[in-house]
Formats: sequence, structure tokens, C-alpha cells
Amino acid sequence: DAMVIQNPRYQVTQFGKPVTLSCSQTLNHNVMYWYQQKSSQAPKLLFHYYDKDFNNEADTPDNFQSRRPNTSFCFLDIRSPGLGDAAMYLCATSGGEQSDTQYFGPGTRLTVL
Amino acid sequence: GQNIDQPTEMTATEGAIVQINCTYQTSGFNGLFWYQQHAGEAPTFLSYNVLDGLEEKGRFSSFLSRSKGYSYLLLKELQMKDSASYLCAVLDSNYQLIWGAGTKLIIKP
Repeated sequence: DAMVIQNPRYQVTQFGKPVTLSCSQTLNHNVMYWYQQKSSQAPKLLFHYYDKDFNNEADTPDNFQSRRPNTSFCFLDIRSPGLGDAAMYLCATSGGEQSDTQYFGPGTRLTVL
Repeated sequence: GQNIDQPTEMTATEGAIVQINCTYQTSGFNGLFWYQQHAGEAPTFLSYNVLDGLEEKGRFSSFLSRSKGYSYLLLKELQMKDSASYLCAVLDSNYQLIWGAGTKLIIKP
């Protein structure tokens, strides 16, 4: 089945220790998104890629970086995680026939100790 | 500014019908989405409306009125597994998704 895969599902890191979250997709969608979602809040868009064109949201902290080496993969790097960065990180893709519908991976829950 | 409003929490009974409302004020409109999100999981796509009217998909229906900036999600024959948060999101003129904070739906036996 075509899908969006995120690894790991759960990530624990220490305050200030860099962490990388990964996302891959078999949907062949040209747009990929990274969201941060905290409990009982709406997802907050961090970045999106239209093909290889990178789009950084204006209020995304510099602590967050992203890479998309090819169509299938996208990475989220948190350079120096703080306690406030503990959240669910969601990867989504869009494209294909229903080009505006975003399909989400299962998410990575990040805990910062 | 852009704003999506939906109730924070609703309670309904198994087997009943519930309507979750969403009102929006956005810069432009290119469609409205409803997603379901179970606790600790990712959102899953439920419906998309871009024209006025009702879209029916099994037990779930979604309605849109663009002139009123209003949508609702109607869930029929409620089941315990429908307990989840339901998020309304609008695609604005820049094709950015503007999200509501979600409505937590509690189903009681």
C-alpha cells in the first residue's frame, strides 16, 4: 500500500542534543510538509517542499532545519532541542489526483529530558 | 488575521447523530477539509468541500456554505471508535492549510 512512513515513532533526546526525524513516502507526491503538534492544539506548519523548492514558515525557529535529498525522503533536524520542543512531529504529503489533500504519516513523538 | 473556530469538546451517545460546526475567516478560499485524529495518532483525511452543499460518505457527511464561512461535519450511527478529535482546515489563497484546534468528540454508551 502506498503510504507515508515516519521513523522513529518515539524519540527521546536530552536537552541540547541534536536529533533527526525522518519521513519517507511511496505516494510519489511532489509536496512534503513538516508539522509540529502539541497536545490539544492545531498542527503548526514548520516547512514544506514543493519538489525541491524549500519553503520556511516565517515563525519557524532557526533551531529547526530540514532536508529533502530526493522525492521520497525528507528529514527534520532539531539542532538543540529545548523542553518546549517536546511535541508530535507530523510529516504529510500532497500531490497526485487529489492534489490539495494532505496525507499524514503516523508521527514521531519527541520527548526532551 | 486568519481564524478557524470550532467547539473544543462535544459529547454524544452511541448510535446517535452529532454535528460538529466550523466557521472560518481566511484570506481566500480553495477548499475545506475535515480530518479525524485519534489520541496520540496522526490526522486521517475524512472529507473535502470546495463547492457549496453536502458531500456524503457513508456515515459521515460534510456541508459547506462559502457565503457564510461555515461548514459542519455530520456523524451518524455513532460508534465508540468515533471518539476522536475532528479538525477543520481551510486552504487559503496561497494554498496554505489553516487549521482549527479541533473538536474532541466523546462518545458515551
